[in-house]
Amino acid sequence: QVQLQQSGPGLVKPSQTLSVTCAISGDSVSSNDVTWDWIRQSPSRGLEWLGRIYYRSRWYIDYAQSVKSRITINPDTSKNHLSLQLISVTPEDTAVYYCARTYSHGMGVWGQGTTVTVSS
Amino acid sequence: DIVMTQSPLSLPVTPGEPASISCRSSQSLLHSDGYNYLGWYLQKPGQSPQLLIYLGSHRASGVPDRFSGSGSGTDFTLKISRLVAEDAGVYYCMQVLQIPFTFGPGTKVDIK
Repeated sequence: QVQLQQSGPGLVKPSQTLSVTCAISGDSVSSNDVTWDWIRQSPSRGLEWLGRIYYRSRWYIDYAQSVKSRITINPDTSKNHLSLQLISVTPEDTAVYYCARTYSHGMGVWGQGTTVTVSS
Repeated sequence: DIVMTQSPLSLPVTPGEPASISCRSSQSLLHSDGYNYLGWYLQKPGQSPQLLIYLGSHRASGVPDRFSGSGSGTDFTLKISRLVAEDAGVYYCMQVLQIPFTFGPGTKVDIK
């Protein structure tokens, strides 16, 4: 059974970097038939897809244009996890951040969510 | 970006009664492989979203058969044949045809 365990600080100051980690159990971050996605949810923006990473003989990464200049998604094969970094955050980045595993175009496994508040 | 809309946005339902949610996309979600790249998710209070339907009409593992997805192109429907109390929550459609993937605004289903 695949499980995703998220971790990260709940409070980030404006202009700093938001970092969330997603630890994978029951699958490999290098699995060649899934993708690993990041989504966030806020009352003002609803559910918003941020980006994904996947391995097909090499790593591929896609980002939403809305955050492309600020986001980095990285795999860590030694720890079997993936990470999300968002730089230069503002209060508009306050949201619950989720990682998810996509198989056959369905996000069948989600992390528990990490609530991140951007405030001084 | 593909814009997803849903109706209704709020749906009170009596247990045992059917429920139906509509989802429309601003562009066709029909891929050249013949599948519609549309999924349905349920988010119960305080929980992460959970997958109900993928590729338009395929029920995810463990999802009761009272849930069904239909439609093609730009018009899709999620039907619940007989609502039970545990089906309460917010239902979202999501397109995965074109990046950025986008979600509908959600339909809140609550029990009368």
